[in-house]
Amino acid sequence: EAQVTQNPRYLITVTGKKLTVTCSQNMNHEYMSWYRQDPGLGLRQIYYSMNVEVTDKGDVPEGYKVSRKEKRNFPLILESPSPNQTSLYFCASSFLTSGGNTGELFFGEGSRLTVL
Amino acid sequence: RKEVEQDPGPFNVPEGATVAFNCTYSNSASQSFFWYRQDCRKEPKLLMSVYSSGNEDGRFTAQLNRASQYISLLIRDSKLSDSATYLCVVNRGAGSYQLTFGKGTKLSVIP
Repeated sequence: EAQVTQNPRYLITVTGKKLTVTCSQNMNHEYMSWYRQDPGLGLRQIYYSMNVEVTDKGDVPEGYKVSRKEKRNFPLILESPSPNQTSLYFCASSFLTSGGNTGELFFGEGSRLTVL
Repeated sequence: RKEVEQDPGPFNVPEGATVAFNCTYSNSASQSFFWYRQDCRKEPKLLMSVYSSGNEDGRFTAQLNRASQYISLLIRDSKLSDSATYLCVVNRGAGSYQLTFGKGTKLSVIP
């Protein structure tokens, strides 16, 4: 079954304790991206990747890191989480079209993170 | 003008009604347009892409007006299962890998 898998789905942590949210897709998609969703603000892009070892900042990258060492995986790292990073996080993947745009985005089920 | 703007709703409509959502975008270079559907606390899922000529998928019709920079979604014969938040999504121009999501329009279909 084609899917994007995120883990953990729910996490409560404390300020400053490093954490990683994993994301894996089995569709051989070139493009992967992380979003956060907050009430009243909609979905905002954190980082994205066009292929292995190619990543770029989205609109709200501060406080996050990513890596793309393998095509299928795109982990999101919070080196020193803070309460303002409490949010619902989505990983997504897509093929890239011949025109260089993203196609249909397939989302993971989301990871709800609370930082105390 | 915000990059992508949607009426947040909520739209409360009876079953069987026709409902229309509009979305305006500010970047005239945008080339790809989509409507996604998001159920409460779930991940967004593609409802339909929006093409210049307009497109229809069953009860759903999407249209694009480049001159006025808006896209629309029409839902005919609303079902209870159509209750969700509808997200307007626009790319940032040719070759852009970034998409901008609207904040969504909430639809509740009432029995």
